[in-house]
Amino acid sequence: AQSVTQLGSHVSVSEGALVLLRCNYSSSVPPYLFWYVQYPNQGLQLLLKYTTGATLVKGINGFEAEFKKSETSFHLTKPSAHMSDAAEYFCAVSEAGSARQLTFGSGTQLTVLP
Amino acid sequence: DADVTQTPRNRITKTGKRIMLECSQTKGHDRMYWYRQDPGLGLRLIYYSFDVKDINKGEISDGYSVSRQAQAKFSLSLESAIPNQTALYFCATSAGQGQYFGPGTRLTVL
Repeated sequence: AQSVTQLGSHVSVSEGALVLLRCNYSSSVPPYLFWYVQYPNQGLQLLLKYTTGATLVKGINGFEAEFKKSETSFHLTKPSAHMSDAAEYFCAVSEAGSARQLTFGSGTQLTVLP
Repeated sequence: DADVTQTPRNRITKTGKRIMLECSQTKGHDRMYWYRQDPGLGLRLIYYSFDVKDINKGEISDGYSVSRQAQAKFSLSLESAIPNQTALYFCATSAGQGQYFGPGTRLTVL
């Protein structure tokens, strides 16, 4: 069984400040890990994914995440927040190889303050 | 044109009515999924299908049924809608790594 915990349902940062959204996962098998973003009244858009290889992965819009197996974490970061980053962010996990199902976290709403 | 489309985008219905939500995709993916999203709960999987002859229940399938009419089409039905099925419903497709989502259907059951 797999699960995802996103710490903080709401995060606020000032424009230009570091964005850090936390994600911890539980999986009995090697995982694939994903971050999705949802803008208001829209579907989910894939930001980035970790499958194999380099543990630091870069995504769209300047976001990146690092897979840390020892900490079972996959935190999402961006060095400098922009107003357009305000959205809800979801971390998700699936089993490596089969990727049959995604298990989602409950989401983190990011607010960017001017 | 969008790769994954959902119809209708918004629907208001009454308790006990049958309703169908439709999903079409042009990505050529074999895998298709239906999720519901509720505030504070993230997305929960209702049903998924890996090809036309393969249908699987997800975490919360009770009260729902699906039909995979073709590789590109996957429909979700509520046989007798109830108010706690009020939610945002998403269809998604996948080729194995990551999923691609439609714009969602907002369903309200009165």
